[in-house]
Amino acid sequence: AQSVTQLGSHVSVSEGALVLLRCNYSSSVPPYLFWYVQYPNQGLQLLLKYTTGATLVKGINGFEAEFKKSETSFHLTKPSAHMSDAAEYFCAVSRGGATNKLIFGTGTLLAVQP
Amino acid sequence: EAGVTQFPSHSVIEKGQTVTLRCDPISGHDNLYWYRRVMGKEIKFLLHFVKESKQDESGMPNNRFLAERTGGTYSTLKVQPAELEDSGVYFCASSQDLRVQSHEQYFGPGTRLTVT
Repeated sequence: AQSVTQLGSHVSVSEGALVLLRCNYSSSVPPYLFWYVQYPNQGLQLLLKYTTGATLVKGINGFEAEFKKSETSFHLTKPSAHMSDAAEYFCAVSRGGATNKLIFGTGTLLAVQP
Repeated sequence: EAGVTQFPSHSVIEKGQTVTLRCDPISGHDNLYWYRRVMGKEIKFLLHFVKESKQDESGMPNNRFLAERTGGTYSTLKVQPAELEDSGVYFCASSQDLRVQSHEQYFGPGTRLTVT
């Protein structure tokens, strides 16, 4: 069975500092990988995804993630945090196919300090 | 283009009552998903429609939950009778034909259900 682990339910960074949100997955087949963000009082928004091809994926708002098969990881990074990045971030995996259902991690709440 | 919409945004009901949640997917999206997040836990898959047919309902917790998608457009999720553990945020998502291989699901804002 697939599972997703997000290390750190709460992460706090200073404005301008590096953002690193960790995600590890377990999957018996090559997965499709996603990062979603949920801003306060809003729905989930796709930040970026990996399906095939280049393992370094760039998303919206300056975020990027790298698929490392050997480490079964898909960590999310941003070089310089902005106050507007404060939100909850979810890593998710799917196997595609007939259902393509998403398996989510427990989420990481990112706080950005001035 | 309108996104995925859900109604109501909040619902507070008493244990034993019935609640119906509605989801309107993006126009033209054949695939519609329901997910749920219980407080403090991960977002969990409930079921998946392709048009009006249930493709996968392996995540439905029990037979108190009934999902429908008549005509392959909007969907409803009924909880009857509601129990305390049903409290949480119910998300709906939609996506295009899976053969398009975009794999992206577009989420609605969720319905926060509180059972007292």
